[in-house]
Amino acid sequence: SQQGEEDPQALSIQEGENATMNCSYKTSINNLQWYRQNSGRGLVHLILIRSNEREKHSGRLRVTLDTSKKSSSLLITASRAADTASYFCNYGQNFVFGPGTRLSVLP
Amino acid sequence: DVKVTQSSRYLVKRTGEKVFLECVQDMDHENMFWYRQDPGLGLRLIYFSYDVKMKEKGDIPEGYSVSREKKERFSLILESASTNQTSMYLCASSLRGNSYEQYFGPGTRLTVT
Repeated sequence: SQQGEEDPQALSIQEGENATMNCSYKTSINNLQWYRQNSGRGLVHLILIRSNEREKHSGRLRVTLDTSKKSSSLLITASRAADTASYFCNYGQNFVFGPGTRLSVLP
Repeated sequence: DVKVTQSSRYLVKRTGEKVFLECVQDMDHENMFWYRQDPGLGLRLIYFSYDVKMKEKGDIPEGYSVSREKKERFSLILESASTNQTSMYLCASSLRGNSYEQYFGPGTRLTVT
């Protein structure tokens, strides 16, 4: 399979806490991206990290990439109820998205 | 902002009907995609197009066809709808040189009865 494997499948946290979700992949990559999907809507591109980068920040998002372990993580700091969504990783020229991580942020 | 629109948010059709799902993007993107999303299975690519009148099969093209007569419009056709085609259908577009960053429409939830 060419899809990224997100972990955990579901995550529930309190508002203000940090949320971490992981993605593992199987092939060598040039880049990896994370997307968010609010319930019943399309996906929104969040951030892209290139294979020669180890960490990237965008607002409250922090993405890390470990090519030796073929894994990436997405950290959302100081989470808000509006962060409740599913999060997907996608890598390279790959048009397959896994089941994602369902994040619930409780007020 | 890139905008990708889909013709319907919800659609109910009968088994055997021919179904057209329309997608339009306004950012002059070369690439367009059709996915279906099912619980526990993620998104699976049905077809994509990298230029007008060009199309490539994705992972699950059976039972579907596509049409791209204009750059901004990509249509998905269910020749004879079946109940196992009940799903959420998502359209996306991207620049030719940047297929990694896809812009998605809001989705069409299709129910075939």
